[in-house]
Amino acid sequence: GAVVSQHPSWVICKSGTSVKIECRSLDFQATTMFWYRQFPKQSLMLMATSNEGSKATYEQGVEKDKFLINHASLTLSTLTVTSAHPEDSSFYICSARSPIVIGEQFFGPGTRLTVL
Amino acid sequence: AQSVAQPEDQVNVAEGNPLTVKCTYSVSGNPYLFWYVQYPNRGLQFLLKYITGDNLVKGSYGFEAEFNKSQTSFHLKKPSALVSDSALYFCAVRDAGTGGFKTIFGAGTRLFVKA
Repeated sequence: GAVVSQHPSWVICKSGTSVKIECRSLDFQATTMFWYRQFPKQSLMLMATSNEGSKATYEQGVEKDKFLINHASLTLSTLTVTSAHPEDSSFYICSARSPIVIGEQFFGPGTRLTVL
Repeated sequence: AQSVAQPEDQVNVAEGNPLTVKCTYSVSGNPYLFWYVQYPNRGLQFLLKYITGDNLVKGSYGFEAEFNKSQTSFHLKKPSALVSDSALYFCAVRDAGTGGFKTIFGAGTRLFVKA
C-alpha cells in the first residue's frame, strides 16, 4: 500500500529557533498533501493544503508566515515552524492525497514537536 | 459547511462484546465518509470508507460501518471487540460536491476494551 513518511519523528528545540518537518510519499506521486496539527487528546486540525508547484492554501487562523509550507516536488512537502515558541508544541501530521482512489488520503506517522 | 460529530468521548466495551462508535455528519452535497484509528504517538490508520454503493461498508480488522443517509450517520461497528482494538477512533467527512479535498475530522472517540 501507499506509504507516507515523516522526518523527524520527534524534535525538541529551543524557543526562537526554526524547525523543518518533511513529509514524503514513498511509492506514489502526491500532487496534494495536507498538514494537520493535533493537540493532546484532541482531533486533527487542518492547517493547510499543499499543492505541488504552487502556494499552499492555509486554513483560517493559521499564520502563513509562522508555518511555511513548500511542496517543491511530487513526493516531498515541508513544513517549517519559524521562530518556534512553547505554544507551537504539538503533534504534526501530514497526509497525501491518493492519485488513484477517490477521496482517500494516506497519513504519515506524525512528528512530535516540543519547544522549550 | 461540513461538520462531523462524535457524541461520545469514550466507549467502554468488554472483550467479545459488540462495539459501536457513533458518528453523524453534515455536508451540503454528497458525503465521502471515513473512519480512522490512531494509536498513541502514531499517525492515523485507515479503517474504511463510504464513497458510493452499498450502505454497509466492511473494512480492516473486522470493522464495518453503515451509511444512513436519512439519519446522516456513519456508525462504526464490530461484532466482537478485542483488547487490541483499544485506541482513538476518528470519523471524517469530505463533501464530494465541493470539488476540493478538504476532509473534516470529528473530535475522536476513545475506545477501551476490557479483558
